[in-house]
Amino acid sequence: AQSVTQLGSHVSVSEGALVLLRCNYSSSVPPYLFWYVQYPNQGLQLLLKYTSAATLVKGINGFEAEFKKSETSFHLTKPSAHMSDAAEYFCAVTGGGNKLTFGTGTQLKVEL
Amino acid sequence: ETGVTQTPRHLVMGMTNKKSLKCEQHLGHNAMYWYKQSAKKPLELMFVYNFKEQTENNSVPSRFSPECPNSSHLFLHLHTLQPEDSALYLCASSQERTSGPLYEQYFGPGTRLTVT
Repeated sequence: AQSVTQLGSHVSVSEGALVLLRCNYSSSVPPYLFWYVQYPNQGLQLLLKYTSAATLVKGINGFEAEFKKSETSFHLTKPSAHMSDAAEYFCAVTGGGNKLTFGTGTQLKVEL
Repeated sequence: ETGVTQTPRHLVMGMTNKKSLKCEQHLGHNAMYWYKQSAKKPLELMFVYNFKEQTENNSVPSRFSPECPNSSHLFLHLHTLQPEDSALYLCASSQERTSGPLYEQYFGPGTRLTVT
């Protein structure tokens, strides 16, 4: 079985500051991990995915995430926040099948 | 149309009504999904169809009835719903494979359902 925990349901950063959204996973098998973003009134859009290749994964819009097996983490980062990054972010895990398990989401607010 | 489309985008229905949600994917995928997104809760997987065959029913009440007539279309038939069924219903699709890295799921914009 797999599960994810997203620490912090709300994160607020200043424009230009580092964005760090936390995700810890639990999986009985080697995991596949994903980050999705959801803008208001829209569906989920894939930011990036980890599929057991490189542990540092680069995604769209300047986001990246690092898979750390020892810490069971897959935190999402972006060096410099932009106003357009304000959205809800979801971490998801699967053990290889097509059944994704999602976290509860982190709402990112970007302030001037 | 590109990607995954869903209609209607908004739906208000009474508890005795019958309605259907429609999803269409234009990506050539062979798997489709229904998710329920409620406030402050994780996305809940409801149904999975692989090659038009239902492979997952995540203990969903029978008042929700899925239909997948072909690999491009997915419906969710609704009847005698309860107010707690009010949520955003998301459809997704992906290309399934038997081995190797997992393909990601592509989501539609969702149908915002309100049950009165």
